[in-house]
Amino acid sequence: EVQLVETGGGLIQPGGSLRLSCAASGFTVSSNYMSWVRQAPGKGLEWVSVIYSGGSTYYADSVKGRFTISRDNSKNTLYLQMNSLRAEDTAVYYCARDRKELGYDYWGQGTLVTVSS
Amino acid sequence: EIVLTQSPATLSLSPGERATLSCRASQSVSSYLAWYQQKPGQAPRLLIYDASNRATGIPARFSGSGSGTDFTLTISSLEPEDFAVYYCQQRSNWPPDSFGQGTKLEIK
Repeated sequence: EVQLVETGGGLIQPGGSLRLSCAASGFTVSSNYMSWVRQAPGKGLEWVSVIYSGGSTYYADSVKGRFTISRDNSKNTLYLQMNSLRAEDTAVYYCARDRKELGYDYWGQGTLVTVSS
Repeated sequence: EIVLTQSPATLSLSPGERATLSCRASQSVSSYLAWYQQKPGQAPRLLIYDASNRATGIPARFSGSGSGTDFTLTISSLEPEDFAVYYCQQRSNWPPDSFGQGTKLEIK
């Protein structure tokens, strides 16, 4: 059974850093595209970042230079390192298995990041 | 970046009625469009991929159509559990990925 479990969210002050983790089971993270998507309270879905199976990474302009996506193949886990956090980064962050033209077929339950003083 | 516009923003219908949701792209995305359903407090769930293909386990009352810039998600006869927010996503020209702003399907 495919499962994605995010951890690492919480309350953080503006300018702070946080690392989100997404532990996968039932498939191999490194063999798939994996994405992070966020959703601010009461708002729609916003794509954040993707890592390709080959290792290439891409970011939304809103997080470029501040966030880093990575993976640990030995732990079958995806990460999102978030630095220089801003109030507008407050959101539920989801990881998802990215099937390219076929969409995101599996999602984690989400982890809430709140940036506030 | 491709912009997706969904309409209407809110759709009020009763169980048993037919729902028609629209998604328009700012440029052609061929058939590379997906639809998701999201209920409060839950992650989105993939309903339709490649414009018209139902994802695994999705009931037959959900169908998708369209190509190019205009797409439709149809729910043939609404069940109580179908009232949720629906998002479209283009998968033609990415990254960056893009989602529509969502259509809230509410009980009338």
